[in-house]
Formats: sequence, C-alpha cells, structure tokens
Amino acid sequence: GAGVSQSPSNKVTEKGKDVELRCDPISGHTALYWYRQRLGQGLEFLIYFQGNSAPDKSGLPSDRFSAERTGESVSTLTIQRTQQEDSAVYLCASSLGGGELFFGEGSRLTVL
Amino acid sequence: DQQVKQNSPSLSVQEGRISILNCDYTNSMFDYFLWYKKYPAEGPTFLISISSIKDKNEDGRFTVFLNKSAKHLSLHIVPSQPGDSAVYFCAARKTGANNLFFGTGTRLTVIP
Repeated sequence: GAGVSQSPSNKVTEKGKDVELRCDPISGHTALYWYRQRLGQGLEFLIYFQGNSAPDKSGLPSDRFSAERTGESVSTLTIQRTQQEDSAVYLCASSLGGGELFFGEGSRLTVL
Repeated sequence: DQQVKQNSPSLSVQEGRISILNCDYTNSMFDYFLWYKKYPAEGPTFLISISSIKDKNEDGRFTVFLNKSAKHLSLHIVPSQPGDSAVYFCAARKTGANNLFFGTGTRLTVIP
C-alpha cells in the first residue's frame, strides 16, 4: 500500500520480555518518527530519523528503548525487559522532512 | 511537562451546528501548529495547519484561529457532520525542530 505500515498491529507480552515493533514508511519519505500514546494521554515523541543524520533520541524514556532505521526505509523500535508501564499504542509516522506527518495505524502493546 | 494542552477531553455538538475545539500552549518558541483527526484503530490524519505569521487559516468547513498573545488556538468546524466524530489532536512545532508536541486530544461527538 501507499501508506505507513506497522507490524504487529497487536502484541501481548509478559513483563521482562523483549519486543520489536516494525515500521515501513511511505516510499521516498526521508523523515521517520516514533510516538507512543498511553491510555488517556497525548502522543509522546520518542525518536526521529532524518536521512543519514544522527537520530534525535531525546524522547526515549529509558535505555530499555532503542530504534534503528536502515537508510530511508524500514525502522525497528525495540523495547527490552518490558514493564507494564510500557503498555501503549506505538505510532510510526513519516514525512518528506519538515512537512506533514503521515501516521501508521499503530502497534498496540500490552505488557502483562 | 505538557507544553500543548487540550483541556476539554470531550465535546458533543448537534449536527449542523458549529464545533469549536480549543488548544493552549506554553512554549513561545512554537511557530507552526497543526490539527490531526483520529478515528478508532487508525493513525492520526492531518487536518489543517497554521503558521505563526498568520492568525487564521481556512479549508472548507474547517478553520483554525491562532492567538499568539494568548498562546491559544482553536479549530472551528461548521457545519458539523456525524462523520466528524473522532478524537482531535492539537500539535505544535518549534522553529528548526524535528518533532511535534501533541495535546491529549478532544473527543468530538456530532449527534445526528
């Protein structure tokens, strides 16, 4: 499809396990963002990739969170040793850089 | 520290009437503001934006007003339609920054 694609759409895991969330941005979009939305909260910025520049990791809540992006394509957000407070919808967005953000449908993570 | 605030978690409006969604911000460095609309189980989609050099931007039934001195913006939808029922997020960006700061959202219900 032409939009931002995220997988899995739903993930249930046990506390302490690692999870990987994947994002396929819109082809040609140089910028990629990860946000999360916890229940009753707004969208919380996590990390931003722009081309080959060093990512802006200022929003990552702890060192258990990391993300990678291969060139201007797929990105993976990894959460190690998951905690219950990590339960949220993780949203990926892409843009042409400074322009409108196009969001995926999100990956809903539930940590039991 | 919530730099973008939407103090009304919900709003109900009769079909055909005007919907007014409000947003306040605290950071005077914000120079670009956006409204996103989100349906259940979907990612947010861009609706309308405004630069800080303007005080009004109109697109069909949607108008965004910006009051920089009050650090306040609002989204007007007129006439409201049942299909407008969704969660509306206000977002803001600082000059030269990468990420958007989002509010917590307002759930609009348009009653037929």
